[in-house]
Amino acid sequence: GENVEQHPSTLSVQEGDSAVIKCTYSDSASNYFPWYKQELGKGPQLIIDIRSNVGEKKDQRIAVTLNKTAKHFSLHITETQPEDSAVYFCAAPPGGSYIPTFGRGTSLIVHP
Amino acid sequence: NAGVTQTPKFQVLKTGQSMTLQCAQDMNHNSMYWYRQDPGMGLRLIYYSASEGTTDKGEVPNGYNVSRLNKREFSLRLESAAPSQTSVYFCASSEITGGIQPQHFGDGTRLSIL
Repeated sequence: GENVEQHPSTLSVQEGDSAVIKCTYSDSASNYFPWYKQELGKGPQLIIDIRSNVGEKKDQRIAVTLNKTAKHFSLHITETQPEDSAVYFCAAPPGGSYIPTFGRGTSLIVHP
Repeated sequence: NAGVTQTPKFQVLKTGQSMTLQCAQDMNHNSMYWYRQDPGMGLRLIYYSASEGTTDKGEVPNGYNVSRLNKREFSLRLESAAPSQTSVYFCASSEITGGIQPQHFGDGTRLSIL
């Protein structure tokens, strides 16, 4: 199966700073890498995803980078705002499966 | 557009009681899932249903049963609740035709077993 490790477990930044969350995965056949944001009392919501045929994808202040050789992918948030405070999860389905294995989550706190 | 709807939002049970958590999606997705979320453990898959009429065990199925009632609805049943099943339960759905697609989650059921 797939093993997904996510770091750090907690990240505290000042408003306007950048935040980076990193995930590593074990199955070299994995080819889809989503990131979810979970606000307090809500379910996870997809914020960005990347497929293995590209190395980077951006959507306004968020970006995801993928290094297939090293088997890791990262979420980058620039110009952080207090509303970015949430728990972020990475995920990766093992090769041949559509069911993702989730990382344990990163609690991002953005201080005004 | 409601997406994935879970009921109830909160529930308190006594040890040994039974309960069914309900989930419905209106996106015409083929696949549905039940997860539990515990502090520091991320999301762990309990059961999933690839399509109407099929169900399969996930990572932590013990103590649970599921029913895929139709394409829209996927329920999770605790036959004899135990304190270890205190958790937040999330239902999700996704489409899998045409390649892997992201999952859509409900807002969860917060379940406490006393």
